Amino acid sequence: NAGVTQTPKFRVLKTGQSMTLLCAQDMNHEYMYWYRQDPGMGLRLIHYSVGEGTTAKGEVPDGYNVSRLKKQNFLLGLESAAPSQTSVYFCASTTPGGYTFGSGTRLTVV
Amino acid sequence: SQQGEEDPQALSIQEGENATMNCSYKTSINNLQWYRQNSGRGLVHLILIRSNEREKHSGRLRVTLDTSKKSSSLLITASRAADTASYFCATDANNAGNMLTFGGGTRLMVKP
Repeated sequence: NAGVTQTPKFRVLKTGQSMTLLCAQDMNHEYMYWYRQDPGMGLRLIHYSVGEGTTAKGEVPDGYNVSRLKKQNFLLGLESAAPSQTSVYFCASTTPGGYTFGSGTRLTVV
Repeated sequence: SQQGEEDPQALSIQEGENATMNCSYKTSINNLQWYRQNSGRGLVHLILIRSNEREKHSGRLRVTLDTSKKSSSLLITASRAADTASYFCATDANNAGNMLTFGGGTRLMVKP
């Protein structure tokens, strides 16, 4: 019973490279989210999904794409990484009682 | 833009003292939640208070909500060194996706 699992935990990319972050949850939650956290700041919503096959934009969606092909997985893609995307990325899933977060992916774009 | 704003941004206290953190928000909400984040880790859900509730307790935590002032407070009583972390408030503005909007957080340091 792992909760929310994010892979990878760390990654360094060169500007222009692409990558996919994987989020997996084993709690059968309908709703899933991708947030980014910049130093000393709160979390900002990138994209979210209210169910399998559905996605929607959050507050800061530019430069990112997402897919929810299976209920338990929510993928975040960076098509052409930029230094401004250096951040810690958190995935979460939810019941009405509160979010369960993954442990984060620390991404550095050089 | 951030819905919730925490105050103070940083707080340093001695073990055994109480810690109070405040959160203000801008729009009407369905509920307000508090999360804790240890350095380098993910956020952990602490407590949820609904818009029709005024106070809620969980162990050493006490949360109040004043919807007329659009503000909330988190009180940690008898603090411990292990309480050292960042604390975030987050608001659910009754949107279809249950999206939360987070404040910038309060960094709490509890000195042994």
